[in-house]
Amino acid sequence: EIVLTQSPATLSLSPGERATLSCRASQSVGIYLAWYQQKPGQAPRLLIYNASNRATGIPARFSGSGSGTDFTLTISSLEPEDFAVYYCQQRSDWPPYTFGQGTKLEIK
Amino acid sequence: VQLVESGGGLVKPGGSLRLSCAGSGFDLSPYALNWIRQAPGKGLEWVSCIDSSGTFIYYEDSVKGRFTISRDNANNSLYLQMNSLRAEDTAVYYCVRDGPVADYFFDDWGQGTQVTVSS
Repeated sequence: EIVLTQSPATLSLSPGERATLSCRASQSVGIYLAWYQQKPGQAPRLLIYNASNRATGIPARFSGSGSGTDFTLTISSLEPEDFAVYYCQQRSDWPPYTFGQGTKLEIK
Repeated sequence: VQLVESGGGLVKPGGSLRLSCAGSGFDLSPYALNWIRQAPGKGLEWVSCIDSSGTFIYYEDSVKGRFTISRDNANNSLYLQMNSLRAEDTAVYYCVRDGPVADYFFDDWGQGTQVTVSS
C-alpha cells in the first residue's frame, strides 16, 4: 500500500499570501496524484488531477506540480474561501486508493 | 451531476445497514463508482469500488467479507451492504464517481450519509 504523507499538518497564513502544501509518496506514483479541498460540513472537491491539471471550474490561483514521490499544491494568493483542509490522493497502485492525512490551512 | 446517499443511521455493533446512492438527474451506468468514508475528525478512507457493469469489485482490507458493494443500473443506483458492523466503521459515507474527464480521479461526491455504530 502506498502511504502519502502531507506537510505541514497545519498552515497558518493570511489572505493574499502564497500557500505551499506538500505531499510525499512512499513509492513512485508517477503523475497519478490528485488534490482535494474540504470545507467543514461539506464533501471534498477535486482541485487538481494528474499532478498538475486543474479540474473543471477550479480557479487559476490553484496549481499543482511534481512527479514520482514529491508533489506540491500552490495557492498563489489566498482568498478567504480557500481556508479549508486539503488532501492528496494517489491512483497509481490500487487497490487501495490512498489519501494523505490532510493539511489544514487556517487563517493567521 | 448530483449523487444522493441515503440509508445511514445508528446501529449496534454486529448489526447491519444498507446504504444507497442515487444519481439525481444523470445516468450512473457509464461510470465506476466508489464508497469513501470519513470517521469523525479524521481523514478520508477509500472503502470499495465497482466498475460500470458490476463485473470488477474491490474492497479495502478491513471491510472485506463484511461489506458488499453492488449496483442496479436499471434503477440508477449504487448500494453498500454493511454487515458485522464495528465501532470503527462509524463515519460519514460518501458515494463518489470516477470521472473520465478527470482521468478517473474522484470528480463528483455526494453529500454523505452518517453511519454510527454504538451500543
